[in-house]
Amino acid sequence: DIQMTQSPSTLSASVGDRVTITCRASQSISSWLAWYQQKPGKAPKFLIYKASTLESGVPSRFSGSGSGTEFTLTISSLQPDDFATYYCQQYNSYPITFGQGTRLEIK
Amino acid sequence: QVQLVESGGGVVQPGRSLRLSCVASGFTSSGHPMHWVRQTPGKGLEWVAVISYDGNRQYYADTVKGRFTISRDNSKNTLYLQMNSLRVEDTAVYYCARGVYSSGWSDALDIWGQGTMVIVSS
Repeated sequence: DIQMTQSPSTLSASVGDRVTITCRASQSISSWLAWYQQKPGKAPKFLIYKASTLESGVPSRFSGSGSGTEFTLTISSLQPDDFATYYCQQYNSYPITFGQGTRLEIK
Repeated sequence: QVQLVESGGGVVQPGRSLRLSCVASGFTSSGHPMHWVRQTPGKGLEWVAVISYDGNRQYYADTVKGRFTISRDNSKNTLYLQMNSLRVEDTAVYYCARGVYSSGWSDALDIWGQGTMVIVSS
């Protein structure tokens, strides 16, 4: 199975900050990586696919990059609504695997 | 409105069975592979199973293989998860999700249901 490791596990930041979350795969997954945002008690929300393509309706302050084994999710200017937990997911092969999550909290 | 609505969760004793359902509306689910993903309270996401658009292929996580069965009825736009021989460690919120943007092997998941809670406890 492909292991997905996110860092950091928790990130403290302020409104207006630029933040970056890293996701590493245990083997190459090409660009088959997705990012999700989850708020407490809610289902994950789909943000990005194929490492860098923004899903329709997702604000442009979100961006993704990377290929192979290392990927990043960047939020260019944090908004109050962005404080949540973020997960990466590889879909290069089954079983689908997720990172352990990065909790983005208000500083 | 495109949405998925799960049902069927509840409290069940270890070793017993439960069947979850997921009804799709606002789109034709037969055009998509469909997945189940679970989340243990306070923990991360674990993929459980997928079924192809036509129901002919299924893949499972090793943790549920041989105990869970995913199926679909495209005439009813409904996805199912039959869970047998339940264990305490199967306790989780279970989400159904739509597969999209396939890599040729697997999918990203764009639409998720609200989740249904399964508690396995004696």
